[in-house]
Amino acid sequence: DGGITQSPKYLFRKEGQNVTLSCEQNLNHDAMYWYRQDPGQGLRLIYYSQIVNDFQKGDIAEGYSVSREKKESFPLTVTSAQKNPTAFYLCASTRQMRSTDTQYFGPGTRLTVL
Amino acid sequence: AQSVAQPEDQVNVAEGNPLTVKCTYSVSGNPYLFWYVQYPNRGLQFLLKYITGDNLVKGSYGFEAEFNKSQTSFHLKKPPALVSDSALYFCAGGGGFKTIFGAGTRLFVKA
Repeated sequence: DGGITQSPKYLFRKEGQNVTLSCEQNLNHDAMYWYRQDPGQGLRLIYYSQIVNDFQKGDIAEGYSVSREKKESFPLTVTSAQKNPTAFYLCASTRQMRSTDTQYFGPGTRLTVL
Repeated sequence: AQSVAQPEDQVNVAEGNPLTVKCTYSVSGNPYLFWYVQYPNRGLQFLLKYITGDNLVKGSYGFEAEFNKSQTSFHLKKPPALVSDSALYFCAGGGGFKTIFGAGTRLFVKA
């Protein structure tokens, strides 16, 4: 089965901690994305990557970092600089970075700050 | 600025009745429009998309959407709604390389 996996499903962070969310895809897609979902606000783009070893900031990148060392993997680190990290985080991929391409989403990670 | 709007936070419909979830857009160039559905604590699932061609697009699970260029709308429809259609629906669109998502509309179908 091809698809996107995210882990963990639930994550709890203490104040001042950095945490890393995993995203892996076996769809052979070039482009990958991280979104943050808050109630009533839809999806907001954090970072995106068009190809391996390249990534760009989205609309709300402050307090987050990413890497794209392998085509299949696009981990997101939520740093202590992110003041309000409690949210549902979604990873997605597309075959290429074109607005005509359908986005395939992972099941999400729910992050809660204790 | 490009935008996608879903004017209704919530839509309530009785099972068996037709449902409509509204979406309007403002994008530069040719609009590419999508509908996705999200069930609780899950990722988004693709329903259908409009790229070009026929204004009536048919998608998964009996859903369809009508592209209306003059009204800049892309409303989602399903002739008879089912209780299992209850979920959060997102309209999305883009005219460049970036996709913009609407805020979502929660659909409740009552038995």
